Amino acid sequence: QSALTQPASVSGSPGQSITISCTGTSSDVGSYNLVSWYQQHPGKAPKLMIYEVSKRPSGVSNRFSGSKSGNTASLTISGLQAEDEADYYCCSYAGRHVVFGGGTKLTVL
Amino acid sequence: QVQLVESGGGLVKPGGSLRLSCAASGFTFSDYYMSWIRQAPGKGLEWVSYISSSGSTIYYADSVKGRFTISRDNAKNSLYLQMNSLRAEDTAVYYCARDIGSPDDYWGQGTLVTVSS
Repeated sequence: QSALTQPASVSGSPGQSITISCTGTSSDVGSYNLVSWYQQHPGKAPKLMIYEVSKRPSGVSNRFSGSKSGNTASLTISGLQAEDEADYYCCSYAGRHVVFGGGTKLTVL
Repeated sequence: QVQLVESGGGLVKPGGSLRLSCAASGFTFSDYYMSWIRQAPGKGLEWVSYISSSGSTIYYADSVKGRFTISRDNAKNSLYLQMNSLRAEDTAVYYCARDIGSPDDYWGQGTLVTVSS
């Protein structure tokens, strides 16, 4: 049950696009289209931004999009805004357990 | 509205036990699987355990297997986590969550567990 691999940090300027990668294995990300992404602001509970690789929950901006290729999933945020600055976590179903990524801190410059 | 309220956290000595509770309201609790997820101070999220809507299917992370027990009482709309043989590395905010990774995903605000002598 190893954590999924994410970059520790990414940054971008307002209006730009950024992509956060999430690398797993053939036992988790590669086997299931059950990858989700969470946004977490300091002191707050995580908020679901993407589920089932690329679906957006109601109320989440269409600036957020997800994709997957092989064992790697990606979250893209377009038109960066100041309020997007947060920690982002990927998450994958893996059979009899669930695994999270280590988290990526997004800084909006 | 949907609410998940965790309780039972606190300071406990290594080797001790604690029971966390999660009170659910605003939805039909018995329709949903539930999970516990934890976050050590300044660290990332770690999935702890899952229980199906009926309680018949349960999974644990290797890090807590044999020490933690998840359970639910659908009549009381409550989820529980019995934590035994606690270690310093179990120190974390513990979140209960509904149907993670689905459109019905919802998390409580968490309860802090500190394991220290």
